[in-house]
Amino acid sequence: QSVLTQPPSVSGAPGQRVTISCTGSSSNIGAGYDVHWYQQIPGTAPKLLIYGNSNRPSGVPTRFSGSKSGTSASLGITGLQAEDEADYYCQSYDSSLSGNVVFGGGTKLTVL
Amino acid sequence: EVQLVESGGGLVQPGGSLRLSCAASGFTFSSYWMDWVRQAPGKGLLWVSRINSDGSITRYADSVKGRFTISRDNAKNTLYLQMNSLRAEDTAVYYCAGQPGRPGWGMDVWGQGTTVTVSS
Repeated sequence: QSVLTQPPSVSGAPGQRVTISCTGSSSNIGAGYDVHWYQQIPGTAPKLLIYGNSNRPSGVPTRFSGSKSGTSASLGITGLQAEDEADYYCQSYDSSLSGNVVFGGGTKLTVL
Repeated sequence: EVQLVESGGGLVQPGGSLRLSCAASGFTFSSYWMDWVRQAPGKGLLWVSRINSDGSITRYADSVKGRFTISRDNAKNTLYLQMNSLRAEDTAVYYCAGQPGRPGWGMDVWGQGTTVTVSS
């Protein structure tokens, strides 16, 4: 059970917009730690999608966006495409954990 | 080409040991913080361990502390994970990942993963 809570699944039709939430607490996101997002297509390694709450690495389409407010963060995907079907993970840091680095439980995005 | 290539995975009996390696190329390895992240079959990502760029600071998840040791050789551009006293619950794909050695960045380089199976 991760300290960062994500919905197990979300879905949307091609062209629609979906959001994936990542809910934390005062010891992680609420403490001001950055949130990063990763996309993992089944059978492949994760890929960095958003870093530092809202920044896109080079090559990531502008359809992907990130935001953070209070103890939560969100990943937004507009203009859904079939290729977006994947698992998405948020990652941050938690001052109550000895290791400090933590991933959310992951969200499976299904493109209908 | 930026690349991380893991090796060393395999089948090991409970209580046994394995040493994973991760060879880096195409980027300045010595300036990156490096992590091991694992994924059990059908499960999500679980962070295992981190080492800073010069190897002076290491961190571990509670589940592996005292059993796993992370290290690096910047001269060889290689990251290691020594895993001792292995348990069935350590069975997973182990990924090495790296991020620029400064705050605000995520893990922007990942290996393809190596599979560790702990079973008798």
